[in-house]
This record gives sequence, structure tokens and C-alpha cells, in this order.
Amino acid sequence: QSALTQPPSVSGSPGQSVTISCTGTSSDIGSYNRVSWYQQPPGTAPKLMIYEVSNRPSGVPDRFSGSKSGNTASLTISGLQAEDEADYYCSSYTTGSTCVFGSGTKVTVL
Amino acid sequence: QVQLVESGGGLVKPGGSLRLSCAASGFTFSDYYMSWIRQAPGKGLEWVSYIGGSGSPIQYADSVKGRFTISRDNAKNSLYLQMNSLRAEDTAVYYCARALRMTMFGVTYFYYYYMDVWGKGTTVTVSS
Repeated sequence: QSALTQPPSVSGSPGQSVTISCTGTSSDIGSYNRVSWYQQPPGTAPKLMIYEVSNRPSGVPDRFSGSKSGNTASLTISGLQAEDEADYYCSSYTTGSTCVFGSGTKVTVL
Repeated sequence: QVQLVESGGGLVKPGGSLRLSCAASGFTFSDYYMSWIRQAPGKGLEWVSYIGGSGSPIQYADSVKGRFTISRDNAKNSLYLQMNSLRAEDTAVYYCARALRMTMFGVTYFYYYYMDVWGKGTTVTVSS
């Protein structure tokens, strides 16, 4: 199972919005609404930010939103803040009942 | 509070074996699917394996199938990963993670593909 494709980096100024794409195939994102997003600040463990494409776990700010179209999922961070600087990973359920992560995107707050 | 603590990492020679452990606390361990995810130095996350609350079902990534074995001891609130025939490419931080579980309108859903609690990880280095 190949990793989902994400841009290596995105950046934005405080208050701006940034969107991270995550491209898969018909064997994962394209066939299931089982996409999640994780935030990983440097030197720390990942944190679940979005599940089931667009649902936020308790405690995650509503500045974080998710969507999906075809084989591509997206994470949008609105009102970018300094503490949002981190690596972000998408993940999807796949045929064969396994999971696959994305290649990761580094978000830089300018 | 809910906590996962991994242990057992270390330096091992190619072809060697290692057993990782994950101690869970703060929740009813047997009610949850559990997973291992790894991250090679400077690289992204890679899902390795998951196991159901009662010990099944079990799934592995193709990259570790036949070499790694996931197991759990619910009486000890512990998750394990037995790693055999280790290769240099297995070098990584190994995270233990709990899968999301939700109850809505009296029905419990096991979202074993979403990890809502993570440990801090244990480092495995495979090198001669």
C-alpha cells in the first residue's frame, strides 16, 4: 500500500487560511469516508484532529475543518495561529481493512 | 488520566528480535482496538498493525507481515509487538495508539482506523 500524497510544505501568515491536500486512490480515499488528520508538533506524538472526513474530536478548535472530493481529501486551517506550526498527516482506511498514512505536510506560520 | 507508555526499544543487529510493550492506564483496555504505528527518522508515519479488544481481528502492513506479531494481555492492560528478522528499514520510533470508540444511541462503533490516544513512543534501531 503506497502512502497517500501530500504537499511537502505549506505556509501562511497568522490569521490566514491554509489548505493541505491528500490524494489517494479508489482503494482508499475514493471508496470510503474514513479519512483522518493528525497534527504532530516537533518531537511529540501525533494528535487526532479530524476523523470521518470532517468530524472534530472534543477539544479541537473549529478552525480546523476537513473535506473530501473523489480521491482527494483536504484539511483547512482557518485563522492560522503560531501554535498550528507542525507536521500534518492524513490517513485513510483501505480495502483489505488496513490503514495508510499520507507523506506528511509541514505547516509553517510566517 | 488516559495514558499509554511504550517500552522495550533498543539497538539490535539485522536479523535479530525485539519485543515492544505498551502499558495502558486510565481506561478499560479490553474495550478498545489498539494499534502500532512507526516513524522512521525524519520520515512520515507508517501504520504497522492493529488488534481487536478480545485479541481479534488482527491486521498487519505488508512490510511487516510474517515477521511481526501483535498481541495483548487484557489482564495486564498491555499491548505487545514481537519483531523478528529485523531489518535496517525497521529502524523507527514505534508508537502504541488506542483506536477511537464511540457509542451513539446505544450502539458502540469501533473506528479501528482512527487513533485517538498515542504514547510517546519507543525507539528501535537496527544496525550492525
